[in-house]
Amino acid sequence: AQTVTQSQPEMSVQEAETVTLSCTYDTSESDYYLFWYKQPPSRQMILVIRQEAYKQQNATENRFSVNFQKAAKSFSLKISDSQLGDAAMYFCAYLSRGQGNLIFGKGTKLSVKP
Amino acid sequence: DTEVTQTPKHLVMGMTNKKSLKCEQHMGHRAMYWYKQKAKKPPELMFVYSYEKLSINESVPSRFSPECPNSSLLNLHLHALQPEDSALYLCASSPRRTSGRGEQFFGPGTRLTVL
Repeated sequence: AQTVTQSQPEMSVQEAETVTLSCTYDTSESDYYLFWYKQPPSRQMILVIRQEAYKQQNATENRFSVNFQKAAKSFSLKISDSQLGDAAMYFCAYLSRGQGNLIFGKGTKLSVKP
Repeated sequence: DTEVTQTPKHLVMGMTNKKSLKCEQHMGHRAMYWYKQKAKKPPELMFVYSYEKLSINESVPSRFSPECPNSSLLNLHLHALQPEDSALYLCASSPRRTSGRGEQFFGPGTRLTVL
């Protein structure tokens, strides 16, 4: 069975600085997706970034980028120029292409200090 | 229209009540999902519908009864719930269950309190 591990329950960053959230996963499959979702206190789950396992190039979306290390089964999220609106719970998630079920990590609560 | 809507936003019910949660999307997605999320925990998958047919039931108690009347609508019927069922119920949709870009689009959730 696939598992997703987020080892940092809470993180804090100063506004305008950079922070990296860690995620590792375990799978025996070769075809899958990885995602970072953001859930602010308003509770809506918002997709931040996605990565396809067969693509070596790391995904980027504006201030958000990932470091995808397939052999190490690591998928970290880097947030540059942090903003107050980035404060939220961040979930790393795995999706097997063959099964279609999202498997979430336990989440990392990010605080942004002004 | 690129969003998933859920009603009601909040629901308080007694253990003997019958209520329903509603989820709607107009993105042409053919897979829809119900998740349960307890405070400070990740979402847990409950049900998956693919092309209006139930394809996954994650051993959810029968007091939760899903229904997919058409490709845009997903309901969750609630009956004889327990206080431990109090949680945020999230609906999500995706173009297909096992193909495409993979991402699921989530609604804002219904906060359910069972007294």
